[in-house]
Amino acid sequence: AQTVTQSQPEMSVQEAETVTLSCTYDTSESDYYLFWYKQPPSRQMILVIRQEAYKQQNATENRFSVNFQKAAKSFSLKISDSQLGDAAMYFCAYRSATSSRNMLTFGGGTRLMVKP
Amino acid sequence: DAGVIQSPRHEVTEMGQEVTLRCKPISGHDYLFWYRQTMMRGLELLIYFNNNVPIDDSGMPEDRFSAKMPNASFSTLKIQPSEPRDSAVYFCASTIGANTEAFFGQGTRLTVV
Repeated sequence: AQTVTQSQPEMSVQEAETVTLSCTYDTSESDYYLFWYKQPPSRQMILVIRQEAYKQQNATENRFSVNFQKAAKSFSLKISDSQLGDAAMYFCAYRSATSSRNMLTFGGGTRLMVKP
Repeated sequence: DAGVIQSPRHEVTEMGQEVTLRCKPISGHDYLFWYRQTMMRGLELLIYFNNNVPIDDSGMPEDRFSAKMPNASFSTLKIQPSEPRDSAVYFCASTIGANTEAFFGQGTRLTVV
């Protein structure tokens, strides 16, 4: 079974600075998808960014970018120019591209605090 | 599109009572997932459906939990009888196809006293 590990339970960053959240995963598959979700205090799960494993280019969405290292099974999220509204729980998730195992598996989450 | 709709948003019930959580996925989505979120265990997949058929229910904690999807626009998660350890936030999510991100509902916060 696939597992997703987020080794940083909490992180803090100064407003306007850059922070990187770590995620590693374990899989024997070669085709899969990776996601970062944000969960603010409202508890709504919001997709931040996605990455297809077959793509070598790292995904970018405005201030959010990833560092996808397939061989190392690493998928970190970089937040640039951090804003107060970025404070939230962040979850890394894995989804197999194999139709028989299509569930979304989540890491334990990282709580990000942004200091003004 | 209204997104994934869950009801109720909050539920407080007494131990031993039956609880039914409801979910309406996004129209056209063919996958539906039920997750439970607690501080201790994080986000756990309980069960998921594809085209209304349960595919994997290995995450359902025990026989007290059951889930149905009678049609493409509605699913329920039932707990009978409920216990205090079932207190958690329950999320429903849906996707279109097998290779896209999941869209989540607002969740139901269940408290069993």
